[in-house]
Amino acid sequence: GENVEQHPSTLSVQEGDSAVIKCTYSDSASNYFPWYKQELGKRPQLIIDIRSNVGEKKDQRIAVTLNKTAKHFSLHITETQPEDSAVYFCAASRGSYIPTFGRGTSLIVHP
Amino acid sequence: NAGVTQTPKFRILKIGQSMTLQCAQDMNHNYMYWYRQDPGMGLKLIYYSVGAGITDKGEVPNGYNVSRSTTEDFPLRLELAAPSQTSVYFCASSYLAADEETQYFGPGTRLLVL
Repeated sequence: GENVEQHPSTLSVQEGDSAVIKCTYSDSASNYFPWYKQELGKRPQLIIDIRSNVGEKKDQRIAVTLNKTAKHFSLHITETQPEDSAVYFCAASRGSYIPTFGRGTSLIVHP
Repeated sequence: NAGVTQTPKFRILKIGQSMTLQCAQDMNHNYMYWYRQDPGMGLKLIYYSVGAGITDKGEVPNGYNVSRSTTEDFPLRLELAAPSQTSVYFCASSYLAADEETQYFGPGTRLLVL
């Protein structure tokens, strides 16, 4: 089955800095890679996703890049703000297979 | 649309008691999932269902049971509650077809077993 590894487990940055979270996956057939944000005490919610036919996708201050050859994808957050503090989960899936989640990254943005 | 709803929001159980966590979705999603999330940890899949009448075990199914009699509802049953089942439980749903894999999560149920 699919195996997703996520690093780092904790990331601490100063407000205004950039943050990068990386995930690797094992199943080369995986073709959908979402990122979820979970604020403290809340449910996980999708913030951005990418499909295997695209190398990069941006949405304002967040972007996701995908390297299919190396089987890794990354979440990039620029100009971080305190409200970006949360746990971020990556996932990988394909077709009708249920998604596999990474273990999560706790992002702390210091004012 | 209400999306994915869960009841109750919080519950305290005594060891050995049983309860059912309710989950419903109104998005006509075919896939539904139950996860547990321990403090500071990731999401662990308990059970999932690919459609009414079909369920399958996830990573941590022991101590739990599920049923899926309708597309909308996916209750999780805890039999003989144990302190190790203290956790936050999230129900989620998705429509696994081309370009529609996003999971939508419910607000969660916090369970404390004493």
